[in-house]
Amino acid sequence: DAKTTQPPSMDCAEGRAANLPCNHSTISGNEYVYWYRQIHSQGPQYIIHGLKNNETNEMASLIITEDRKSSTLILPHATLRDTAVYYCIVRPGGTGNQFYFGTGTSLTVIP
Amino acid sequence: NAGVTQTPKFQVLKTGQSMTLQCAQDMNHNSMYWYRQDPGMGLRLIYYSASEGTTDKGEVPNGYNVSRLNKREFSLRLESAAPSQTSVYFCASSGRSLAKNIQYFGAGTRLSVL
Repeated sequence: DAKTTQPPSMDCAEGRAANLPCNHSTISGNEYVYWYRQIHSQGPQYIIHGLKNNETNEMASLIITEDRKSSTLILPHATLRDTAVYYCIVRPGGTGNQFYFGTGTSLTVIP
Repeated sequence: NAGVTQTPKFQVLKTGQSMTLQCAQDMNHNSMYWYRQDPGMGLRLIYYSASEGTTDKGEVPNGYNVSRLNKREFSLRLESAAPSQTSVYFCASSGRSLAKNIQYFGAGTRLSVL
């Protein structure tokens, strides 16, 4: 089971921030939140992950609510190349544990 | 640095034929994974190998076998291909860090079974 709920699709204007929500109300204390994206039919690409603190890297920011039941991925200045399917995944840390990909959110960046 | 390399990129099989999908990683990762992705769906885990010498079933293992040949290579075999196995297959690997465990994916193998 994917353990996460995401909207099936979203649009965002080029240059604006894209805010992609994810609900993970059954998350356990040892589970991390990961975000991946898949551009066209390429292999998924890691974006960011976090446990309970907000995280930022060169690609995006991850905001996790205090109760950890939901999170938001923020692409601060969306470009056309950010058009992709975005997957939110929760899983325990540690190698060998399975990633469960749901159907994700299809983000379209509009010129 | 090639990352995760999958071969072949495309393959067409007839029902009942067998084939092996190859995957190699050059990042010295312990764990490797095989996923399939059907049109309009997310990835589903077929098998994974947490470390060299071990393999475990994932969500959809039926009809497949795997071999962790060495630390670099993890192959997926279809003994008797069926049309239901038409899909895009992705291999991934992940490293030692318990906290990060980021998976890196190959470009995929597009398989059609007629």
